[in-house]
Amino acid sequence: NAGVTQTPKFQVLKTGQSMTLQCAQDMNHNSMYWYRQDPGMGLRLIYYSASEGTTDKGEVPNGYNVSRLNKREFSLRLESAAPSQTSVYFCASSPLGQGDSGNTIYFGEGSWLTVV
Amino acid sequence: ILNVEQSPQSLHVQEGDSTNFTCSFPSSNFYALHWYRWETAKSPEALFVMTLNGDEKKKGRISATLNTKEGYSYLYIKGSQPEDSATYLCAFKAGSARQLTFGSGTQLTVLP
Repeated sequence: NAGVTQTPKFQVLKTGQSMTLQCAQDMNHNSMYWYRQDPGMGLRLIYYSASEGTTDKGEVPNGYNVSRLNKREFSLRLESAAPSQTSVYFCASSPLGQGDSGNTIYFGEGSWLTVV
Repeated sequence: ILNVEQSPQSLHVQEGDSTNFTCSFPSSNFYALHWYRWETAKSPEALFVMTLNGDEKKKGRISATLNTKEGYSYLYIKGSQPEDSATYLCAFKAGSARQLTFGSGTQLTVLP
């Protein structure tokens, strides 16, 4: 019963390097999300995808790109990593739109990214 | 950007104590309020989704209430256990918004 699976779990990058965080869900959910969690701040939405083939910017999209490869997979790419992108990244999914009545969000276990 | 505040930021309680904490959100244009529980290195998991003023929800020793008119929700834990140690996050959705806004969380530590 995998749910939402994201990789890698830990990564250290040098400033300027690029990397892609991978995410897959096996619950046949329509919507998928990428969040970042920083100390003292709530989860902030980076990008989301309401359905296969669509993506939209969230609250903090700068420095990131996403791809909704198919219904199961939603990847997050850092093209040129910066120290300000050091954070814990969560992928998530939901059956319908975010926050729809009775519609909870299912999260992955997080990816700890450090940019030095 | 909507303002969702949680208090306290952190607290320590003794095993067996009951505790509660608060999530404050805008009182206008309410749509839904979520509570999540997050243990470090694990996935945040949903506790409750609340949509109606006066809602009370319960899951084991954890319960929540909702007051949409004054813009707050309380989360209660009765007889805290060490396994309740986690960060509790609330998230608010306004009717006009396309996404949830999360609070910064309350970090609970239950001491044995």
